[in-house]
Amino acid sequence: DAGVIQSPRHEVTEMGQEVTLRCKPISGHDYLFWYRQTMMRGLELLIYFNNNVPIDDSGMPEDRFSAKMPNASFSTLKIQPSEPRDSAVYFCASSYRTGSDEQYFGPGTRLTVT
Amino acid sequence: KNEVEQSPQNLTAQEGEFITINCSYSVGISALHWLQQHPGGGIVSLFMLSSGKKKHGRLIATINIQEKHSSLHITASHPRDSAVYICAGHTDRGSTLGRLYFGRGTQLTVWP
Repeated sequence: DAGVIQSPRHEVTEMGQEVTLRCKPISGHDYLFWYRQTMMRGLELLIYFNNNVPIDDSGMPEDRFSAKMPNASFSTLKIQPSEPRDSAVYFCASSYRTGSDEQYFGPGTRLTVT
Repeated sequence: KNEVEQSPQNLTAQEGEFITINCSYSVGISALHWLQQHPGGGIVSLFMLSSGKKKHGRLIATINIQEKHSSLHITASHPRDSAVYICAGHTDRGSTLGRLYFGRGTQLTVWP
């Protein structure tokens, strides 16, 4: 398996623009997680899905953020409108049967909002 | 309130030294993950443990459930061990099943 795939790897956009981050989990994994990493706050959970259903979105900063998982092999994290404070590295991770299994991280998307 | 506390924040060592990174966690955390993040940014899971000790090469992770404490040890450290090491705890029940709570990470630098 190719591991967790994220795209794009780097994104530079202007404030106010819509940003869409994409993730393809490892095939057969039931859990998918979206994380954000900043120097100030470290790694934070934004939202996670079990069998394509959002379980906990309490980490989503505000209504500008939304995440979807239309099928078992694809998820998106959308920011609209983007702001400079959204600049961070966004990681997607997946795990097998339960969320307590080892998580496999994607390479991350480095987002810069100017 | 942070469910997972990690120390030290920064650690510098000479090649060959024995290294220990500590992690303490709160009630509700049922297992600990140790993650490694290299300068390139990728995150790799090193260990997941809920009791006892695990060993992989020069890396050893221990956990004490009663004291709610875990340690990551690196024996015979090498410059390629330089990375950020992050501990993360998860719960195994309730509405937060599967959610990871992260420590702030330990930046380890090993000099040759």
